[in-house]
Amino acid sequence: EDQVTQSPEALRLQEGESSSLNCSYTVSGLRGLFWYRQDPGKGPEFLFTLYSAGEEKEKERLKATLTKKESFLHITAPKPEDSATYLCAVQAERWGSQGNLIFGKGTKLSVKP
Amino acid sequence: DAGVIQSPRHEVTEMGQEVTLRCKPISGHDYLFWYRQTMMRGLELLIYFNNNVPIDDSGMPEDRFSAKMPNASFSTLKIQPSEPRDSAVYFCASSSDEVGVHYGYTFGSGTRLTVV
Repeated sequence: EDQVTQSPEALRLQEGESSSLNCSYTVSGLRGLFWYRQDPGKGPEFLFTLYSAGEEKEKERLKATLTKKESFLHITAPKPEDSATYLCAVQAERWGSQGNLIFGKGTKLSVKP
Repeated sequence: DAGVIQSPRHEVTEMGQEVTLRCKPISGHDYLFWYRQTMMRGLELLIYFNNNVPIDDSGMPEDRFSAKMPNASFSTLKIQPSEPRDSAVYFCASSSDEVGVHYGYTFGSGTRLTVV
């Protein structure tokens, strides 16, 4: 069964304090791993897609990496505006080009000034 | 484009009443997804459509739930009768083969449903 586990559930950081969020996954044939950001009262917003082990992508203070079993979202020198829930999702090859993103429950990040 | 549009944003209803949630996908997207989000279970796929045809409804919890997509620009999720355990945030998302594999789905802002 496809499964996504994110840790920690919640993370509190001081502004400028770098850290990493973890996403462990089990899927038969990974098509892609997605990272989303969700602000309160809003829908998830796309950040990155990773396709194969060893791949990395960056956007501002965020860098996502992928291995065969997990993905990390590294946050460098975070700012209060980075506070949000970060969601990880996987898509299996057997679902075709668009079928069924399986989501983790997310990590709620709070960055204090 | 205005993005994926959902209505209403909030819905409070009494147990046993019928509830209809609405979604307008992004123009040109031929996939539409309905997800439900709760604290306990996170985001769960309920059903998805391709070219207005339901492809997988295995996530629909019970016969009380039904979804339709009469045309490419409109979909509804109906709960009849509603129960307190249906309280959740319901998201609609859309995608296409051209963008989805690289950018995932585009989500609406959700409908927060409370059944009392």
